[in-house]
Parts: sequence; structure tokens; C-alpha cells
Amino acid sequence: AQSVTQLGSHVSVSEGALVLLRCNYSSSVPPYLFWYVQYPNQGLQLLLKYTSAATLVKGINGFEAEFKKSETSFHLTKPSAHMSDAAEYFCAVSETGGGNKLTFGTGTQLKVEL
Amino acid sequence: NAGVTQTPKFQVLKTGQSMTLQCAQDMNHEYMSWYRQDPGMGLRLIHYSVGAGITDQGEVPNGYNVSRSTTEDFPLRLLSAAPSQTSVYFCASSYSESGALHFGNGTRLTVT
Repeated sequence: AQSVTQLGSHVSVSEGALVLLRCNYSSSVPPYLFWYVQYPNQGLQLLLKYTSAATLVKGINGFEAEFKKSETSFHLTKPSAHMSDAAEYFCAVSETGGGNKLTFGTGTQLKVEL
Repeated sequence: NAGVTQTPKFQVLKTGQSMTLQCAQDMNHEYMSWYRQDPGMGLRLIHYSVGAGITDQGEVPNGYNVSRSTTEDFPLRLLSAAPSQTSVYFCASSYSESGALHFGNGTRLTVT
């Protein structure tokens, strides 16, 4: 069975500071990994995904994530936070051959302060 | 291009009532799914479909039914609403099993 753990339900950073949101996963087969962002009263939007190509994945809005198999991690980073990055972020995993059934983490609320 | 359209946006039900949440997509996606979002629990999969006529259960299917008679539509039926089904429901679709999910804007359901 697949699962996702997101460490830290709330993260606060200063504008211009590094953003690091942590995600660890478990999967019995090679995984697909995703980061989604949710703004208030909206559905989720894809930030980036890993599908067994390059281990460093670049997404939209300057975000990137690195797949580390040995650590079963897929942490999300952005070098310099912007006020518009304030949102909730979800890490998700699905399994190859699994029909795109995603298991989501419990989410991390990112706050960006001046 | 409308993407994934969910109706209604808001709904209040009394315990024991039934209703259908509608979901339609115009992207010719084979994969469709329903999730519920509850505070502190992320999104949990209710039912999913890999094509017209094919559905299966997700993590939390009890109390919900689905059918997929066309590629475009994937309605979610609540058979007898319970307060535990108070939640925000999202429908999503994707082109492939590794593809990005396209989400609707959600239906906020309250059961009293």
C-alpha cells in the first residue's frame, strides 16, 4: 500500500527566504510523485510531477523537487518565497499500473511574511 | 475549454436524504475520480474510473455510489446522507495514469 507523510502542517517563511516543504512516501512499486497547490476555495493545481525520468523535477512558479529513492523523499523547494506562494501544498503518490489513484499527504499550509 | 465542471457548488442536506453530485469533463480524459477533503486529513479517494463502464472503490467508498456511462460524466451518489459525509468533494480527471489530475472547483456539502 502507498502512503505519504508531510512533515509540518504549517510552515512560515519570510519573503525572499528559501521554501522547503518535506514529503516522504512509501510504495511497493516504482511510484509516480506529485506536488499540488491549493489556493483558498479552489481545486488543486499541479506544481510538478516525477515519473521516473530526471530525479530533479522543475515545476511552475519557480518550484522544484528532488526524488531521492534511498531516502524515500520528494521534498519541494523554492529559492526565494513570494507573497503569492502562500497556499496549501499537497504531496501525492500513485503506483505504476495503479490507474492514477492518488494517495495524498495531509497538506502543509505555507505562510509568507514580510 | 471548461475543464472539469462540478455542480452544485454548495449543498445542505438533512440526514437520510439522497443526492447526486455532478461531474463533467470536456477533455476526453479516460481517468476520473472523486475525492473528499476534510481538515487535517488531506484528500481521500472515494471512487475512481479508468474508462466508461469501469469503476472501482477507493479508500473511503462506504455510503457512495458511482457509475460511468459516458467518458464525459462521472456522477457521485450519496444514498442516505450522514453528518460524517459533511465535506468538500472534488472530482478530477486525467489523460493517463501518470498524468496530472485536473480538478473541479469542488462541492461543499453539509449534512445536518
